[in-house]
Amino acid sequence: DAGVTQSPTHLIKTRGQQVTLRCSPKSGHDTVSWYQQALGQGPQFIFQYYEEEERQRGNFPDRFSGHQFPNYSSELNVNALLLGDSALYLCASSGYGTNGYTFGSGTRLTVV
Amino acid sequence: QKEVEQDPGPLSVPEGAIVSLNCTYSNSAFQYFMWYRQYSRKGPELLMYTYSSGNKEDGRFTAQVDKSSKYISLFIRDSQPSDSATYLCAMSPTGAGSYQLTFGKGTKLSVIP
Repeated sequence: DAGVTQSPTHLIKTRGQQVTLRCSPKSGHDTVSWYQQALGQGPQFIFQYYEEEERQRGNFPDRFSGHQFPNYSSELNVNALLLGDSALYLCASSGYGTNGYTFGSGTRLTVV
Repeated sequence: QKEVEQDPGPLSVPEGAIVSLNCTYSNSAFQYFMWYRQYSRKGPELLMYTYSSGNKEDGRFTAQVDKSSKYISLFIRDSQPSDSATYLCAMSPTGAGSYQLTFGKGTKLSVIP
């Protein structure tokens, strides 16, 4: 049973560029959340998608946007990249009756 | 004041020791409490999930919640080198499947053989 899969694993981008990260949730899960984890910090909630709509949003600027597809997979888009956007981006999935979230291994984004 | 406080360590213990990891929180709305383990370059893995005050045991792991003091703990008995990882506490106001998690900074644990 595949867990949460994220792609790519690593990414290097230049300031001002745009990036798209992808996530496939665990089988049977329909809710996808995205988190940003800076080095030495705990994950910070970006937003959550359910039924193809953004259900909740954390304290992140509009440069961060997302999408959920009918098969429950999701994308995170970040525009106008800043050096401070360098972090591990984690996707987590959950579903009805599940306790806690299942996290993927993340995408490590480096902005230079 | 941050909503969730967790001592980042690092914490170094000999193999076989009992490890105690702790978090405090300020938001009374938090009702669900989790502990995640994160190995280097990996995503967090759920270890324990609790709702009520009191203790919950799973193998070598015991999670403790004291809502009156806004304090949660994770105990690891007979610690092993494979327990070396960063331990993150997380909490949410409602069932975690439908709400955002607020994490502590994580405590880095090393178990020395």
